[in-house]
Amino acid sequence: EDQVTQSPEALRLQEGESSSLNCSYTVSGLRGLFWYRQDPGKGPEFLFTLYSAGEEKEKERLKATLTKKESFLHITAPKPEDSATYLCAVQALRYAGGTSYGKLTFGQGTILTVHP
Amino acid sequence: ETGVTQTPRHLVMGMTNKKSLKCEQHLGHNAMYWYKQSAKKPLELMFVYSLEERVENNSVPSRFSPECPNSSHLFLHLHTLQPEDSALYLCASSQEGVGTEAFFGQGTRLTVV
Repeated sequence: EDQVTQSPEALRLQEGESSSLNCSYTVSGLRGLFWYRQDPGKGPEFLFTLYSAGEEKEKERLKATLTKKESFLHITAPKPEDSATYLCAVQALRYAGGTSYGKLTFGQGTILTVHP
Repeated sequence: ETGVTQTPRHLVMGMTNKKSLKCEQHLGHNAMYWYKQSAKKPLELMFVYSLEERVENNSVPSRFSPECPNSSHLFLHLHTLQPEDSALYLCASSQEGVGTEAFFGQGTRLTVV
């Protein structure tokens, strides 16, 4: 069974204080690892897809990296508007009903709060 | 309109009511999903439709009944729900093929009283 564990559950930072969020996973046949941002009462917003170990992607103050067992979301000099829940998900190929599809398994998320 | 749109945004229903959630995607995708998000829990996959065929029913109780009339629309029909079914219900779509991201709607906040 695919599993995703995110740590810490909650993270409080001062504005400008860089840190990292962790996503550990076990999956049979990883096809992609996804990071999403979710604001309260809203749907998850796509951030990054990583496909293979060693890959890195950046967007503004965020950088995502991937190894064979975990992914990190690095936040450099965060601002209060970066406060949100960050979700990690792994995708694996699954077969059902005579067809295949990419099944996403999510972690429980890390709640990030950035204080001014 | 762009993206994935869900209606209504909020719904309060009694345990004996019947209601439906609607999802519409304007991205030209061929796969659609229903997820349940409860407090302090990971997103739970409920149903998957690929090319308008249901390919996954993740052990969801029969009081939840999905319908996918075409590749752009997805419904979740609700009847005789329980208070523990109160949650945020999220619809997503993707272009089927592994390694492709799913795009989510804003969700329907359901409260069962």
